[in-house]
Amino acid sequence: DVVMTQSPLSLPVTLGQPASISCRSSQSLVYSDGNTYLNWFQQRPGQSPRRLIYRVSNRDSGVPDRFSGSGSGTDFTLKISRVEAEDVGVYYCMQHTHWPKTFGQGTKLEIK
Amino acid sequence: EVQLVESGGGLVQPGGSLRLSCAASGFAFRTYRMHWVRQGPGKGLVWVSSVKGDGSSTDYADSVKGRFTISRDNAKNTLYLQMNSLRAEDTAVYYCARDGFDVWGQGTMVTVSS
Repeated sequence: DVVMTQSPLSLPVTLGQPASISCRSSQSLVYSDGNTYLNWFQQRPGQSPRRLIYRVSNRDSGVPDRFSGSGSGTDFTLKISRVEAEDVGVYYCMQHTHWPKTFGQGTKLEIK
Repeated sequence: EVQLVESGGGLVQPGGSLRLSCAASGFAFRTYRMHWVRQGPGKGLVWVSSVKGDGSSTDYADSVKGRFTISRDNAKNTLYLQMNSLRAEDTAVYYCARDGFDVWGQGTMVTVSS
């Protein structure tokens, strides 16, 4: 199975400051069609996961532009340019290039 | 509005069975592969199973292979997960999700306990 490793697992951030989450995969996530199937999700307390970013860097509709995704191969990053109170929650990366689909452990973002 | 609504969760004894349902609306259900993902109490997300749009192909996580069966009824726009031989470690919120993982249901809680 492809292991997805996130860091940090806990991320205290001051309001208005940037935040960055790393996600590394144990093997390349480039599929045979040339696409890289790496998603980022946000899960607010008590809610279902919400997809923020698909295929590494594509923001979903309705997702604020302070969220951005980057990376390639086995190394990926989610960045929040200025953290707001509504960003509190757990963030997961997930690969769906390979079977089985696998998630990172999650990164808990909290306000300092 | 695109929507997924799970049902069927509850309390079941170890070794028991449960069938979860996921009712889809607002999109062409039959054209999408569908997934089940679970989340244990205070834990992360774990992919469980998947079925192709026409139901012809299924996949399972090793932890549930041989015990769980995924299926779908495209006439009813409904996805199912038949769970047999349940164990305490199957206790979780079970979510259904559309392929691409852009749409998720609200989840249904399954508790396996005596």
